[in-house]
Order: sequence, then C-alpha cells, then structure tokens
Amino acid sequence: QSVLTQPPSASGTPGQRVTISCSGSSSNIGSNYVYWYQQLPGTAPKLLIYRNNQRPSGVPDRFSGSKSGTSASLAISGLRSEDEADYYCAAWDDSLSAVVFGGGTKLTVL
Amino acid sequence: QVQLVQSGAEVKKPGASVKVSCKASGYTFTSYYMHWVRQAPGQGLEWMGIINPSGGSTSYAQKFQGRVTMTRDTSTSTVYMELSSLRSEDTAVYYCASSRTFHDAFDIWGQGTMVTVSS
Repeated sequence: QSVLTQPPSASGTPGQRVTISCSGSSSNIGSNYVYWYQQLPGTAPKLLIYRNNQRPSGVPDRFSGSKSGTSASLAISGLRSEDEADYYCAAWDDSLSAVVFGGGTKLTVL
Repeated sequence: QVQLVQSGAEVKKPGASVKVSCKASGYTFTSYYMHWVRQAPGQGLEWMGIINPSGGSTSYAQKFQGRVTMTRDTSTSTVYMELSSLRSEDTAVYYCASSRTFHDAFDIWGQGTMVTVSS
C-alpha cells in the first residue's frame, strides 16, 4: 500500500490530453514539493517534473505538473506513442522522514 | 557527461548480504546527495535511504533500519549500499539516484542492479 495514491492505469489516443492524479496528505504533498518520474519499459526512471511544476531541460512542454492542497496532477498534452510508460509521483513525508512514492500509473496510448 | 554506473547483477541465498556499488562521474561527487531506491518485479518504487557523500552521514527508511548500510569512498567517487539478512522479498532492481539537496528531485539515476535472492 503506497503512501501516495495514483490510479493504476490511464489511457488516451494520440493527440489527446491525459491527466494523472496523485493524492497524499498534509505531511507529504500538503507541505512539500511533488516530483514526477517517467519509467519507460525496461529502463531506469527519469525525472519529468520537479518542485511541483518545473520541467528539467530536455523535457517537452507537453508535460506539466500542478499541485493543490494535498493533491497533485501530471498533465500530458498532444499524447504520443512514445509517452507509453509508467509514471510515479513522489514527495518527502515529514512524519515518516522518508521519500514516499505513488504506486505508479501505467499509461497506454491507444 | 554526468552519469551513475552501478555494479552488475547478483544472486544471493537467503540470509546472505549483498553490496551494490554506484560510481559517479561528470560532476563533483561531494556536491550531490545519493539515494537508493528499489523496485521489486512488476512493482513500484521504494525509497531505502540517503547518504551525503561529503560527510558520510546517512538516513534510512524505517523499514530498512538495522539491515541497510550506505557508505562512500570519495577517492573513487563511489557509494555503496549493503543489505543484510536477505530474504526472497528483497529480490528487486536497486537504483542509485542523485539529488542536489536532501529533499530535492532525483535528477540522475543509475542503470539499476538486479539482486535475486533464491535458495
């Protein structure tokens, strides 16, 4: 059971916009930054969004992050086949003194 | 270029220990924290702990307290993660990942090391 809650799956067609939610609590998302990671099949995770809504250089602006209260979202616009991957949210948890992850969302591009 | 290169796959028996290495290059080793994250087959990501390569201080997830030890060798820019009293549930890919500060994003990841625990 993950501390952060994500839907196990999401899907969309090419060109569509999809969002992935991440729900937490006051001790993690409510008081700390949220990060998003993309994991393509068989590879190590890659940083996609940091500090709630910042994109590292090289990450397309089709990817965007937001946070409100104890929840966060990742939005992917102009969906492409290469976006098919697992997506994880993460945050520091003050109560656990640990980094906590969501269970991951498998995105399928139909 | 900035990269983290991990040691190769390991097969261990239950009760044994495993030590995984992560060699950093392309940046000042002591300027970034290093985390260890593991992923069991078909499962999500799990944070194990963090080491500050500058002074060697560590912080471990409660789940792994007493079983994990993270160390570093500044002369070779390498961090190590040793997990003891292995059980089948420890079968996973183990990743090292760096961050600029204690609570910051994991911006660079190693390629992962598969550890299989089997009798």
